[in-house]
This record gives sequence, C-alpha cells and structure tokens, in this order.
Amino acid sequence: AQKITQTQPGMFVQEKEAVTLDCTYDTSDQSYGLFWYKQPSSGEMIFLIYQGSYDEQNATEGRYSLNFQKARKSANLVISASQLGDSAMYFCAMKRRDTGNQFYFGTGTSLTVIP
Amino acid sequence: EAGVAQSPRYKIIEKRQSVAFWCNPISGHATLYWYQQILGQGPKLLIQFQNNGVVDDSQLPKDRFSAERLKGVDSTLKIQPAKLEDSAVYLCASSLGAAATNEKLFFGSGTQLSVL
Repeated sequence: AQKITQTQPGMFVQEKEAVTLDCTYDTSDQSYGLFWYKQPSSGEMIFLIYQGSYDEQNATEGRYSLNFQKARKSANLVISASQLGDSAMYFCAMKRRDTGNQFYFGTGTSLTVIP
Repeated sequence: EAGVAQSPRYKIIEKRQSVAFWCNPISGHATLYWYQQILGQGPKLLIQFQNNGVVDDSQLPKDRFSAERLKGVDSTLKIQPAKLEDSAVYLCASSLGAAATNEKLFFGSGTQLSVL
C-alpha cells in the first residue's frame, strides 16, 4: 500500500512567487516524522524540513514551511519567494516507529522556477 | 564533518556483468540504508543495516543483489548478474540509529548505473 502520496508530478512557479507542493500520508501509528528532501540534478538528496506528529506548530526553516494538517494526514511544503536554484525534484518522506524506523518516500514533484 | 561517501559516481556495464558499489557512512552512524532510485521515481529501500545486522531486506532481489556491512562501518552492494532494469541511481544513506522520529537521513551523492 502506498504510504506517501505526491500527486503533482510537475509544477511551475514564477520566480519570487510562493509555491505549495502537496503530500499526503497513510499511517495508523501515532508517533511518526515527516520530512521533505530536495534533489537537484546533481543527484544528492538534501534535507529541507522536518515535522513531528506531536508538534503543534507548523515547522519553518527559512523560506521553507510545512503546512501540517494531521486530521487530513497532509504535510504540504510551502516555498516562499522562489528562486531559480529551487528548480529540483522534491520528495516527501515519512519515518514510522512501528516499522523499525524505516523511511518511506513519495514519488516526488519536479519543480521548475521560471525567470 | 565528512558526509556519506559513495563510489563510483558512475558505472556503465553490459547486462549479465557484475558490479559493486561502496558506501562509507558518517562516522558514528549506526544505521545504513541502500536505496534504488529509478528515473522519475522516489527512492526505494533495498536494505537497511543497524550496525552490521540486517533490519530489513524484504525488497532486495536476493537472486542477484547482495549487500554486506562488515564491522558495522562501510558497506558494499553487489549486483550479479545485472539486468537492464537495474539501471538506476543507487543511493546510500546513514543515520545515527536512534529511535527518535526526528532523526533524519544523510545521503551520499549516489552511483548512477547504466546497464546496456
């Protein structure tokens, strides 16, 4: 069963605008972590932001914020003031304690920032 | 602090040949992961080690893939014989290995394998 769903294969955003990348997840575990990673064309996966299932406030890291809606099981990434260097693949991932701390990744969203 | 080291960066082989990838995790990281990432897809876990023991290898095609982590430090992933569908990027990642859900993965640069 698919545990992480990213429904947007590709997204375009104008430079300096904000963009939201969607992520929904499936788990019956109460304790889990949600992560977003960026993968530029160079291939390396870069950690962006983390949200814990018990965190009451949405996580923020610079221009990145995570819109966490626990009841809807969604963890959308918001990038504000997009820059050309934000063009990359973005992956949502979940770490579940009930499965030996394994990480489950979504299929990714390709973001292109247009000048 | 040194990151996760992987080699080689690129590898081109013909089908039915064998290939090996090497990974050295961040010092002190107990957990090591090998992922396969086919073009246009998300990373798929092949095997997860905790120190030198296997935690999960349920998605490792054991008829052709093998992995080891001797002494609980660096690891090798081998494919023998390779098939065309093994063309992918092989990512190694490591983490401290604690049970905390906020513990993130650190990734290497990956090995891009092309099977012709």
